[in-house]
Amino acid sequence: KAGVTQTPRYLIKTRGQQVTLSCSPISGHRSVSWYQQTPGQGLQFLFEYFSETQRNKGNFPGRFSGRQFSNSRSEMNVSTLELGDSALYLCASSSTARSYNEQFFGPGTRLTVL
Amino acid sequence: KNEVEQSPQNLTAQEGEFITINCSYSVGISALHWLQQHPGGGIVSLFMLSSGKKKHGRLIATINIQEKHSSLHITASHPRDSAVYICAVSGTGNQFYFGTGTSLTVIP
Repeated sequence: KAGVTQTPRYLIKTRGQQVTLSCSPISGHRSVSWYQQTPGQGLQFLFEYFSETQRNKGNFPGRFSGRQFSNSRSEMNVSTLELGDSALYLCASSSTARSYNEQFFGPGTRLTVL
Repeated sequence: KNEVEQSPQNLTAQEGEFITINCSYSVGISALHWLQQHPGGGIVSLFMLSSGKKKHGRLIATINIQEKHSSLHITASHPRDSAVYICAVSGTGNQFYFGTGTSLTVIP
């Protein structure tokens, strides 16, 4: 089975722009979670989707949003980019609805905001 | 206040040494996860456990639910074990909380 894929792998944007990141889960996995990793804050949970519904959301401003499609692929969007949004964005997929199931991580998208 | 605390933050070991990384948490959990992150960012899930002990090759993970504590042990460490090890917990409210990670360097 192919692993979790994320596109693009690298992205450079300027302040004020918006960005959309994509995540394709492992075939058959219906749960997709998104995480932000920065040197200062470490890994932080953004949100989780299951069967096109957002089940849980971390403590991030409304500029961060996401969605999941019927084929389980997920996108996250960040609007009005700030310098502090520079980070590695990781998605992970899981085979069941329960969040304590094993998660399989993608390689991440490294976003740089100038 | 961090829901998950890891120690040590940095660890250097000689090849062959026995290594222990500790994780303490303060929230109710559904499960605890040990993750490995190599330079470049890729994260691999090593263990997911909610009780007792699990072993995979040279890696052993234990959890004590009453004490809210988990340990990751690496026996006969090898330079390829050099990575950041992250403890994470699945909260009972479906939230994920992460430790700050332990950076391990194994010297040949």
